[in-house]
Amino acid sequence: QSDLTQPASVSGSPGQSITISCTGTSSDVGAYNYVSWYQQHPGRAPKLMIYDVTNRPSGVSSRFSGSKSGNTASLTISGLQPEDEADYYCNSYTASTTWVFGGGTKLTVL
Amino acid sequence: QLQLQESGPGRVKPSETLSLTCTVSGGSISSSGYYWGWIRQPPGKGLEWIASIYYSGTTYYNPSLKSRVTISEHTSKNQFSLRLNSVTAADTAMYYCARHRGYNFGLWGQGTLVTVSS
Repeated sequence: QSDLTQPASVSGSPGQSITISCTGTSSDVGAYNYVSWYQQHPGRAPKLMIYDVTNRPSGVSSRFSGSKSGNTASLTISGLQPEDEADYYCNSYTASTTWVFGGGTKLTVL
Repeated sequence: QLQLQESGPGRVKPSETLSLTCTVSGGSISSSGYYWGWIRQPPGKGLEWIASIYYSGTTYYNPSLKSRVTISEHTSKNQFSLRLNSVTAADTAMYYCARHRGYNFGLWGQGTLVTVSS
């Protein structure tokens, strides 16, 4: 199975909105609404931010939102804050009953 | 509050077997509907799903690692474990255990760094 494709980096200024894309295939992202997103700060374990494409776990800011169109999922962060600077990874369940991660996107808050 | 803690040797020699254990506290690994999994992250690189085991015992493996990996559960100890055979330097990584319900990884351990070196 191949990694999902994410941009290596994105950046934005405080208060702005950014979107990170996650492109897969009709066998993973396009097949199910089982895309999740994780935030990882340096030296820390990943944290679930979005699950099942659009759902936020309890305690995650409403500034984080997810969507999907065809084989591409997206994570949008609105009202960027300095603490949002981190690596972000998407993940999808696949038709082979496995899970696959994206390569990760480094978000820089300028 | 459920917590996961990885344990194992910090260094493994090339060609040997890497063995890690995840101890679950504050809840049971036999709880209905949960998967328990392993994910790794080489230094400076991205996340890679390795394997998961359902509470019923059904196992799932990353096809690229399947020939070398075994995941198992030890319900009496409330633990699950990972074995990775014939390791090379490419297996050097931070190894995380995680719980997932449904199709996302909702709870993670803090991770344990394993270095493959002679």
